[in-house]
Amino acid sequence: SSELTQDPAVSVALGQRVTITCQGDSLKNYYATWYQQKPGQAPVLVIHGNNNRPSGIPDRFSGSRSRNTASLTITGAQAEDEADYYCSSRDNSGNLFGGGTKLTVL
Amino acid sequence: QFHLVQSGADVKKPGASVKVSCQASGYTFTGYYIHWVRQAPGQGLEWMGWIDPNSGATNHAQKFQDRVTMTRDTSIATASMEVRSLSSDDTAVYYCARGGPPFDSSGYHGLDVWGQGTTVTVSS
Repeated sequence: SSELTQDPAVSVALGQRVTITCQGDSLKNYYATWYQQKPGQAPVLVIHGNNNRPSGIPDRFSGSRSRNTASLTITGAQAEDEADYYCSSRDNSGNLFGGGTKLTVL
Repeated sequence: QFHLVQSGADVKKPGASVKVSCQASGYTFTGYYIHWVRQAPGQGLEWMGWIDPNSGATNHAQKFQDRVTMTRDTSIATASMEVRSLSSDDTAVYYCARGGPPFDSSGYHGLDVWGQGTTVTVSS
């Protein structure tokens, strides 16, 4: 079956740029979406359709996709961006989530 | 605005069943799929399946094919999911989330509205 692979943990200095990546064959044929989850809270959609921000998501969040790799970039990371980030996509049988990346803002 | 409100926490014994409900408001319930996602303690998100509230059609992740039933009641804009033959491995927070419309076969829309989560604990 398909899977999506993420680095388990990434850190970034306050105000700097960070990119979180996600790899998987399903990304060649289906859109990538990204979710932010803070402790004890439900996930929040931050990017859909590879590179689209829902209303209310700060413009420091951006997304891209190239072949089988999707990326989430935070330009000017803030303390409140510290969270778990999950990529997701459809596949031939349903939906997939990556294992998640824990982002630490130093 | 759009909301999904889930039923409260539940504690079950191994072998029992649990049913979690998810009531939608603020949008046309039959216009968007409802997905179910769970998260075991300290673990990542796991997709379980979706239901089309309009037709009642469902699609389950393979590992849940035999133990999970998803239903909906359009008269009260509520989706429900029953999980049978519970074990300790099913201890998790269960979320419902609004997906895209039926024609969104490529997953463009994402899961844009989430319920607050329902904690299910399986313990003897």
